[in-house]
Amino acid sequence: GEDVEQSLFLSVREGDSSVINCTYTDSSSTYLYWYKQEPGAGLQLLTYIFSNMDMKQDQRLTVLLNKKDKHLSLRIADTQTGDSAIYFCAEIHPSGGYNKLIFGAGTRLAVHP
Amino acid sequence: DVKVTQSSRYLVKRTGEKVFLECVQDMDHENMFWYRQDPGLGLRLIYFSYDVKMKEKGDIPEGYSVSREKKERFSLILESASTNQTSMYLCASSFSGTQYFGPGTRLTVL
Repeated sequence: GEDVEQSLFLSVREGDSSVINCTYTDSSSTYLYWYKQEPGAGLQLLTYIFSNMDMKQDQRLTVLLNKKDKHLSLRIADTQTGDSAIYFCAEIHPSGGYNKLIFGAGTRLAVHP
Repeated sequence: DVKVTQSSRYLVKRTGEKVFLECVQDMDHENMFWYRQDPGLGLRLIYFSYDVKMKEKGDIPEGYSVSREKKERFSLILESASTNQTSMYLCASSFSGTQYFGPGTRLTVL
């Protein structure tokens, strides 16, 4: 079946690292994504990882993929107040010849001083 | 940069009205999508289109229809708006798998 699960809430202190976790079910997913949504806005593509990679780093962001456990994580180093947002994990799921994205419910990250 | 725009950020309509939500993308993408987003339910796919005049139902198509007369434009239509269609509506476009989203339209149906 199709299911992507995330914890709903994470609170961190400014300057600490944040780790947002996600589990997915489709082992055939070729790409996995992280999107960020600020209040009242659409989803912004943050980063993605191809399924044959274990890790991808992009400035303060590190994505780790454990295919065996179907576990994806997003680490934000030196978390800032501007990182407060909802973070969505998504996997590609082929559906009738087309690629459909299956989203998790989103993790709300709150950054406090 | 990919740009996806939506016609309104905020919209207030009355029950029974016909509502059009417009989405335009400037990247010549084949695929376009309409989602609704509700607290605790995440994003749910309403309809998508993989080419001009082509459409496919998503997970929650009931009460909605769509139109894709030109490649760059994908419209979501609520034939007779109801209060349970109050939601945030997000449009996206993609070439392969990666989807790029518009800013969203927050629709309130009174």
